[in-house]
Order: sequence, then structure tokens, then C-alpha cells
Amino acid sequence: EVQLVESGGGLVKPGGSLRLSCAASGFTLNNAWMHWVRQAPGKGLEWVGRIKSKANGGTADYAAPVKGRFTISRDDSTNTLFLQMSSLQTEDTAVYYCHGDVGWGQGTLVTVSS
Amino acid sequence: QSALTQPASVSGSPGQSITISCTGTSSDVGAYNYVSWHQQHPDKAPKLMIYDVSNRPSGVSNRFSGSKSGNTASLTISGLQPEDEADYYCSSHAGTTTLFGGGTKLTVL
Repeated sequence: EVQLVESGGGLVKPGGSLRLSCAASGFTLNNAWMHWVRQAPGKGLEWVGRIKSKANGGTADYAAPVKGRFTISRDDSTNTLFLQMSSLQTEDTAVYYCHGDVGWGQGTLVTVSS
Repeated sequence: QSALTQPASVSGSPGQSITISCTGTSSDVGAYNYVSWHQQHPDKAPKLMIYDVSNRPSGVSNRFSGSKSGNTASLTISGLQPEDEADYYCSSHAGTTTLFGGGTKLTVL
């Protein structure tokens, strides 16, 4: 069974950093294009960024609001996707989901507040 | 790049069919066959319903179908059921980015 399980969310002060994880099972993560998507309270889905499959070069692209602050990476040995977030702002408060053509994770809440 | 355009709401009665549109441009929806549709019930994670314009993941009812014409993609739900009431979002590959629609609230009357 394909499963995506996010973790690492929490409360962080403005300017702080946080690393989110997305543990994949039932498929090989580096064969897929994987995305991070967020949803602020009461709002719609917002694309954060993606990492291409290994066969397509494995490079990452980012949405303008997070470019230069967020980094997506992958650990093939543990089949885990990461989102490293730095210089966090209150506007980054949201539930963060990992997502691919295999489905969605359950999300992890990131709250940026002093 | 702007978000994809979806109607804010649609409604239908049980058993009826409804279609939700998702309008983009020749740089996103019109350029690639990489449109997905996602269902989200209140306070739940999204669920992938359609990928690559018209493909259904395993386990998704065949009442859900997707199509595309030009710069507009569509999600059709046939034989509407009460549990289909949810928010629906489209997304499209757009080169170095991915765009989402603003979401459509489906009400089953």
C-alpha cells in the first residue's frame, strides 16, 4: 500500500527554521516527481515546490514566495522527502502536505508566531 | 503566473452529473497533459482523484472522469452522491512551476 506520512511541524518564531519530513512507503520515492503543497487556515491549496524524479535529473523548483528560503531534498536510503524551511514568516503558517501522482500525505501543521 | 480559474461553487442533486472547469493558458493547461484533480473534505487532507488529465488512481470511483480541451480542463462527476460534497482543486504543470486552481465547492442538494 502506498503511503506518505509527514512529520516535523510545530510552532516556530519568525525568522526561525524547521525541517519537514515525508516518509514514503509502497513505492520508490526517487522514481516520482514529488511536491510540497501548503494550505493556510481557511484558504486554498498553494504549491510550494517540487523535486523531479532521479531519471529526470532530481532537481528542485520553488514557488516565488519561498524561493531562496526553502529547500527540497530526498534521502534515497530511507525513501524520505524533506522540506527545509528557513527565515520563516508568519505568512508561512499552514498545513504542509507532500504529494505526488501516488497521492497525498495527511499533512503537518507549521505555525509561525512570536 | 496566475492561479488556474475554477468556478467558486457548483451544485447538483443526487444521481445527476456535474462538471467543474479549470481554465489556464497555453503555458500551463494547454501546454501539458499534466492536469490533476483533488478532492478535499472539511478538515481532511486532499485526495488525488485524477492525474495526467484523465487517469484515475486505483480505488477512485469510475464516476469521476477528467478531460481537456485547449486551455480548459474539466472534471465530471456522474451519478452524484452525498459523499461527493467537498472542495475540488485542479492543478497543472507549468514548466518550472505547478499551478493550482482556487477551488470549487461542490454542494449535493
